[in-house]
Amino acid sequence: GESVGLHLPTLSVQEGDNSIINCAYSNSASDYFIWYKQESGKGPQFIIDIRSNMDKRQGQRVTVLLNKTVKHLSLQIAATQPGDSAVYFCAEKFAGNNRKLIWGLGTSLAVNP
Amino acid sequence: DTEVTQTPKHLVMGMTNKKSLKCEQHMGHRAMYWYKQKAKKPPELMFVYSYEKLSINESVPSRFSPECPNSSLLNLHLHALQPEDSALYLCASSQDRDNEKLFFGSGTQLSVL
Repeated sequence: GESVGLHLPTLSVQEGDNSIINCAYSNSASDYFIWYKQESGKGPQFIIDIRSNMDKRQGQRVTVLLNKTVKHLSLQIAATQPGDSAVYFCAEKFAGNNRKLIWGLGTSLAVNP
Repeated sequence: DTEVTQTPKHLVMGMTNKKSLKCEQHMGHRAMYWYKQKAKKPPELMFVYSYEKLSINESVPSRFSPECPNSSLLNLHLHALQPEDSALYLCASSQDRDNEKLFFGSGTQLSVL
């Protein structure tokens, strides 16, 4: 399943399927992007990051894709598991904002068994 | 030890009370952060400490007073709060101010009556 983080805040997928969470970022000068996962009752947890000189980065079961032309970031989760159920936040960073992270609104991922 | 420990986990206080939130990390991180998070919203940055000095104050009202006694501890002193200050308060740390991989605690859920 796919979601656009800012326009479809909830994504529901079947266990075992691949998930794609999308994020439209705001500033073309942003040079660093990061994904966090927040499970219920916990603080955000780092998943993966990518710098603007890259288009793709892979982690364990996760891949982040960056399309600077359209200011779009996506997080792909392979073989989604119930433990992946959480809210996923993308965040961006650029030099002109005192290097502070700018957080997206988040997408809630629900994995159906 | 990759944990950020926050106490208490829950706090209920009246508008005339004084209370403190505590945060501790033993990862040798030199940047520590306070965030505020409302339900179903991304975390909002409040304060950043870098090498035990206040680096960023995001125009937070003076009823919130941060303190960094040493490199492992971060406190947030609360006084004369308003009901709209009820939220989840998250502490985070990172290796240094330029490292965006934040380690978050589980937060203190604060209710102001």
